[in-house]
Amino acid sequence: EIVLTQSPATLSLSPGERATLSCRANQSVDIYLAWYQHKPGQVPRLLISDASNRATGIPARFSGSGSGTDFTLTISSLEPEDFAVYYCQQRSNWRSGFTFGPGTRVDIK
Amino acid sequence: QVQLQQWGAGLLKPSETLSLTCAVYGGSFSGYYWSWVRQPPGQGLEWIGEINHSGSTNYNPSLKSRITMSIDTSKSQFSLKMTSVTAADTAVYYCARGSAAGLRYWGQGTLVTVSS
Repeated sequence: EIVLTQSPATLSLSPGERATLSCRANQSVDIYLAWYQHKPGQVPRLLISDASNRATGIPARFSGSGSGTDFTLTISSLEPEDFAVYYCQQRSNWRSGFTFGPGTRVDIK
Repeated sequence: QVQLQQWGAGLLKPSETLSLTCAVYGGSFSGYYWSWVRQPPGQGLEWIGEINHSGSTNYNPSLKSRITMSIDTSKSQFSLKMTSVTAADTAVYYCARGSAAGLRYWGQGTLVTVSS
Protein backbone atom coordinates (compact mmCIF):
# COMPACT_ATOMS: atom_id res chain seq x y z
CA GLU A 1 0.00 0.00 0.00
CA ILE A 2 1.32 3.42 -0.95
CA VAL A 3 1.16 5.99 1.85
CA LEU A 4 1.66 9.70 1.30
CA THR A 5 3.10 11.99 3.95
CA GLN A 6 2.85 15.77 3.73
CA SER A 7 4.94 18.37 5.51
CA PRO A 8 4.62 20.65 7.23
CA ALA A 9 1.14 20.07 8.61
CA THR A 10 0.64 23.83 8.84
CA LEU A 11 2.50 26.64 7.13
CA SER A 12 1.99 30.19 8.39
CA LEU A 13 3.01 32.80 5.84
CA SER A 14 2.18 36.33 4.75
CA PRO A 15 0.80 37.39 1.37
CA GLY A 16 3.63 37.81 -1.11
CA GLU A 17 5.79 35.13 0.50
CA ARG A 18 6.85 31.90 -1.15
CA ALA A 19 5.23 28.65 0.00
CA THR A 20 6.97 25.31 -0.35
CA LEU A 21 4.91 22.20 0.41
CA SER A 22 6.31 18.70 0.49
CA CYS A 23 4.74 15.33 -0.28
CA ARG A 24 6.59 12.07 0.20
CA ALA A 25 5.53 8.55 -0.81
CA ASN A 26 6.70 5.40 0.93
CA GLN A 27 7.44 3.86 -2.47
CA SER A 28 7.86 5.22 -5.95
CA VAL A 29 4.81 6.62 -7.70
CA ASP A 30 6.87 7.67 -10.75
CA ILE A 31 5.32 11.00 -11.79
CA TYR A 32 1.72 10.00 -11.01
CA LEU A 33 1.13 12.62 -8.38
CA ALA A 34 -1.43 15.42 -8.31
CA TRP A 35 -2.01 18.42 -6.05
CA TYR A 36 -5.36 19.88 -4.98
CA GLN A 37 -6.41 23.06 -3.22
CA HIS A 38 -9.39 22.88 -0.86
CA LYS A 39 -11.08 25.81 0.80
CA PRO A 40 -13.82 25.53 3.45
CA GLY A 41 -17.26 25.18 1.90
CA GLN A 42 -15.83 24.73 -1.58
CA VAL A 43 -15.08 21.82 -3.85
CA PRO A 44 -11.48 20.59 -4.11
CA ARG A 45 -9.65 22.08 -7.08
CA LEU A 46 -7.10 20.20 -9.15
CA LEU A 47 -3.93 22.31 -9.42
CA ILE A 48 -1.20 20.02 -10.75
CA SER A 49 -1.24 16.62 -12.45
CA ASP A 50 1.62 14.28 -13.35
CA ALA A 51 3.80 16.03 -10.76
CA SER A 52 4.39 19.20 -12.75
CA ASN A 53 1.58 19.92 -15.22
CA ARG A 54 -0.64 22.81 -14.27
CA ALA A 55 -4.34 22.11 -14.77
CA THR A 56 -6.37 24.35 -17.06
CA GLY A 57 -6.86 27.83 -15.63
CA ILE A 58 -4.37 27.45 -12.76
CA PRO A 59 -2.17 30.55 -12.29
CA ALA A 60 1.52 30.31 -13.11
CA ARG A 61 2.49 31.05 -9.49
CA PHE A 62 1.63 27.40 -8.76
CA SER A 63 4.29 24.91 -9.79
CA GLY A 64 5.01 21.28 -9.04
CA SER A 65 8.17 19.24 -9.19
CA GLY A 66 9.55 15.86 -8.26
CA SER A 67 9.37 12.22 -9.22
CA GLY A 68 9.65 8.85 -7.55
CA THR A 69 9.02 9.45 -3.85
CA ASP A 70 9.62 13.16 -3.26
CA PHE A 71 7.43 15.95 -4.58
CA THR A 72 7.07 19.68 -4.02
CA LEU A 73 4.30 22.19 -4.63
CA THR A 74 5.55 25.76 -4.77
CA ILE A 75 3.44 28.90 -4.67
CA SER A 76 5.85 31.60 -5.77
CA SER A 77 4.06 34.57 -4.20
CA LEU A 78 1.02 33.97 -2.02
CA GLU A 79 -2.17 35.76 -2.92
CA PRO A 80 -4.94 36.22 -0.31
CA GLU A 81 -7.06 33.58 -2.07
CA ASP A 82 -4.29 30.96 -1.78
CA PHE A 83 -4.77 30.38 1.94
CA ALA A 84 -6.30 26.90 2.01
CA VAL A 85 -5.52 23.25 2.60
CA TYR A 86 -3.42 21.50 -0.04
CA TYR A 87 -3.53 17.75 -0.66
CA CYS A 88 -1.27 15.57 -2.73
CA GLN A 89 -2.77 12.46 -4.33
CA GLN A 90 -1.18 9.52 -6.11
CA ARG A 91 -2.30 6.98 -8.59
CA SER A 92 0.61 4.86 -9.68
CA ASN A 93 -1.46 1.73 -10.19
CA TRP A 94 -4.91 1.75 -11.74
CA ARG A 95 -6.10 -1.20 -9.71
CA SER A 96 -5.16 0.39 -6.41
CA GLY A 97 -7.14 3.59 -7.01
CA PHE A 98 -6.34 6.99 -5.59
CA THR A 99 -4.63 7.83 -2.30
CA PHE A 100 -4.61 11.27 -0.71
CA GLY A 101 -2.02 12.69 1.64
CA PRO A 102 -3.17 14.16 4.98
CA GLY A 103 -2.91 17.74 3.74
CA THR A 104 -0.95 20.92 4.50
CA ARG A 105 -2.83 23.95 5.79
CA VAL A 106 -1.48 27.28 4.57
CA ASP A 107 -2.53 29.95 7.05
CA ILE A 108 -2.19 33.70 7.05
CA LYS A 109 0.59 34.74 9.42
CA GLN B 1 -18.45 22.37 -19.85
CA VAL B 2 -18.58 19.31 -17.62
CA GLN B 3 -20.86 19.52 -14.59
CA LEU B 4 -21.62 16.95 -11.91
CA GLN B 5 -24.76 17.21 -9.84
CA GLN B 6 -25.27 14.90 -6.90
CA TRP B 7 -28.11 14.11 -4.53
CA GLY B 8 -29.12 11.73 -1.78
CA ALA B 9 -30.36 11.49 1.80
CA GLY B 10 -28.50 13.75 4.20
CA LEU B 11 -29.57 12.25 7.54
CA LEU B 12 -29.29 8.58 8.36
CA LYS B 13 -29.59 6.44 11.47
CA PRO B 14 -26.86 3.99 12.43
CA SER B 15 -27.09 0.71 10.50
CA GLU B 16 -28.98 2.30 7.60
CA THR B 17 -27.76 2.40 4.01
CA LEU B 18 -26.28 5.51 2.47
CA SER B 19 -27.39 6.12 -1.11
CA LEU B 20 -26.05 8.88 -3.36
CA THR B 21 -26.39 9.51 -7.09
CA CYS B 22 -24.37 11.77 -9.37
CA ALA B 23 -25.48 12.99 -12.80
CA VAL B 24 -22.96 14.09 -15.40
CA TYR B 25 -23.73 16.89 -17.83
CA GLY B 26 -21.47 17.68 -20.76
CA GLY B 27 -18.39 15.85 -21.97
CA SER B 28 -17.98 12.17 -22.64
CA PHE B 29 -19.28 9.63 -20.16
CA SER B 30 -17.02 6.86 -21.40
CA GLY B 31 -13.26 6.93 -21.11
CA TYR B 32 -13.24 8.09 -17.49
CA TYR B 33 -13.47 6.63 -14.04
CA TRP B 34 -16.26 8.08 -11.91
CA SER B 35 -15.22 8.44 -8.31
CA TRP B 36 -16.59 9.10 -4.86
CA VAL B 37 -14.54 10.97 -2.26
CA ARG B 38 -15.50 11.96 1.28
CA GLN B 39 -14.29 14.34 3.95
CA PRO B 40 -15.27 13.74 7.57
CA PRO B 41 -15.59 16.87 9.72
CA GLY B 42 -12.18 18.29 10.54
CA GLN B 43 -10.37 15.59 8.58
CA GLY B 44 -8.80 15.15 5.17
CA LEU B 45 -10.02 13.73 1.89
CA GLU B 46 -10.62 9.99 1.56
CA TRP B 47 -11.11 8.23 -1.76
CA ILE B 48 -14.02 5.78 -1.57
CA GLY B 49 -13.94 4.14 -4.97
CA GLU B 50 -14.69 4.43 -8.64
CA ILE B 51 -16.57 2.89 -11.55
CA ASN B 52 -16.10 3.19 -15.30
CA HIS B 53 -18.67 3.21 -18.07
CA SER B 54 -18.54 -0.56 -18.46
CA GLY B 55 -19.18 -1.12 -14.77
CA SER B 56 -15.66 -2.06 -13.74
CA THR B 57 -15.00 -0.94 -10.17
CA ASN B 58 -12.11 -0.17 -7.81
CA TYR B 59 -12.90 0.24 -4.13
CA ASN B 60 -10.93 1.55 -1.16
CA PRO B 61 -9.93 -1.65 0.66
CA SER B 62 -10.97 -0.17 4.00
CA LEU B 63 -14.56 0.32 2.77
CA LYS B 64 -14.86 -2.48 0.22
CA SER B 65 -17.05 -4.75 2.31
CA ARG B 66 -19.76 -2.10 2.70
CA ILE B 67 -19.87 -0.28 -0.64
CA THR B 68 -21.40 -0.91 -4.02
CA MET B 69 -21.15 1.38 -7.00
CA SER B 70 -23.34 1.23 -10.07
CA ILE B 71 -23.67 3.13 -13.31
CA ASP B 72 -26.49 3.99 -15.71
CA THR B 73 -24.91 5.07 -18.97
CA SER B 74 -28.30 5.81 -20.54
CA LYS B 75 -28.81 8.57 -17.97
CA SER B 76 -25.11 9.50 -17.51
CA GLN B 77 -25.47 8.77 -13.82
CA PHE B 78 -23.54 6.76 -11.28
CA SER B 79 -24.38 5.83 -7.72
CA LEU B 80 -22.90 4.87 -4.38
CA LYS B 81 -24.44 2.65 -1.74
CA MET B 82 -22.80 2.13 1.64
CA THR B 83 -24.38 -0.28 4.09
CA SER B 84 -24.36 -0.36 7.89
CA VAL B 85 -23.37 3.26 8.37
CA THR B 86 -22.10 4.54 11.70
CA ALA B 87 -21.24 7.98 13.07
CA ALA B 88 -17.77 7.50 11.59
CA ASP B 89 -19.34 7.72 8.13
CA THR B 90 -20.55 11.26 8.78
CA ALA B 91 -18.86 13.34 6.09
CA VAL B 92 -19.27 15.51 3.05
CA TYR B 93 -19.44 13.13 0.09
CA TYR B 94 -18.30 14.24 -3.36
CA CYS B 95 -18.62 12.65 -6.75
CA ALA B 96 -15.86 13.41 -9.25
CA ARG B 97 -14.60 12.58 -12.72
CA GLY B 98 -11.29 10.74 -12.65
CA SER B 99 -8.60 10.15 -15.20
CA ALA B 100 -4.89 9.43 -15.14
CA ALA B 101 -4.38 13.15 -14.52
CA GLY B 102 -6.50 13.18 -11.38
CA LEU B 103 -9.95 14.36 -10.33
CA ARG B 104 -10.69 17.37 -12.49
CA TYR B 105 -14.46 17.85 -12.13
CA TRP B 106 -16.36 17.53 -8.86
CA GLY B 107 -19.96 17.52 -7.70
CA GLN B 108 -21.11 20.11 -5.22
CA GLY B 109 -20.84 17.79 -2.23
CA THR B 110 -23.50 16.28 0.03
CA LEU B 111 -23.28 16.38 3.80
CA VAL B 112 -24.34 13.02 5.18
CA THR B 113 -24.90 12.89 8.93
CA VAL B 114 -25.33 9.61 10.77
CA SER B 115 -27.08 10.08 14.08
CA SER B 116 -29.62 8.25 16.16
